Amino acid sequence: DTGVSQDPRHKITKRGQNVTFRCDPISEHNRLYWYRQTLGQGPEFLTYFQNEAQLEKSRLLSDRFSAERPKGSFSTLEIQRTEQGDSAMYLCASSLPNIPGLAGHEQFFGPGTRLTVL
Amino acid sequence: AQSVTQLGSHVSVSEGALVLLRCNYSSSVPPYLFWYVQYPNQGLQLLLKYTSAATLVKGINGFEAEFKKSETSFHLTKPSAHMSDAAEYFCAVSEFSGGYNKLIFGAGTRLAVHP
Repeated sequence: DTGVSQDPRHKITKRGQNVTFRCDPISEHNRLYWYRQTLGQGPEFLTYFQNEAQLEKSRLLSDRFSAERPKGSFSTLEIQRTEQGDSAMYLCASSLPNIPGLAGHEQFFGPGTRLTVL
Repeated sequence: AQSVTQLGSHVSVSEGALVLLRCNYSSSVPPYLFWYVQYPNQGLQLLLKYTSAATLVKGINGFEAEFKKSETSFHLTKPSAHMSDAAEYFCAVSEFSGGYNKLIFGAGTRLAVHP
């Protein structure tokens, strides 16, 4: 039984470079979420996919950020022209559909990708 | 909009002592509430969840939480702390929007357990 996986676990980059992170959700989960966690804070919602459709983007997701889930399986999060303020842990989570009486509300988190922008 | 407040960014207890981590929420509808634990450099692991069934919820590792609507609280407790409980704990409320739910997290409480 594999959980949510994320790659890479750590990324150090220089300001202005582009970075891309990958998330592989639990195989039967059609819902996928990205969150960002800065030091000393709780995770903050960035974006949500249902299958391949991106249904919501937070105001935190500036135009330098783009996320995809091309075949409704894995997802990528790209940050262009990174800034020092982008340094954070990027967490991916997945869940089942919300079906009354079932466990649709529980989100399963991956280990995160820690980004450091120098 | 829903929100979560965790009182106390740091809590320190002795091994064997009671653990109490406080969480208050704000929600205009009956909430779904969660406690997650995060160990250093790791993702979040679900401890327990409240989804409108029993108000006293038992989770993993001996933790439990009680939903109190009148106090809008969902405090996390454990009767006897272990050294392995040292971690950061996050309370979250599920905000249902457009057919899906996103989690709104508190700022977290770092639990230290000393011998």
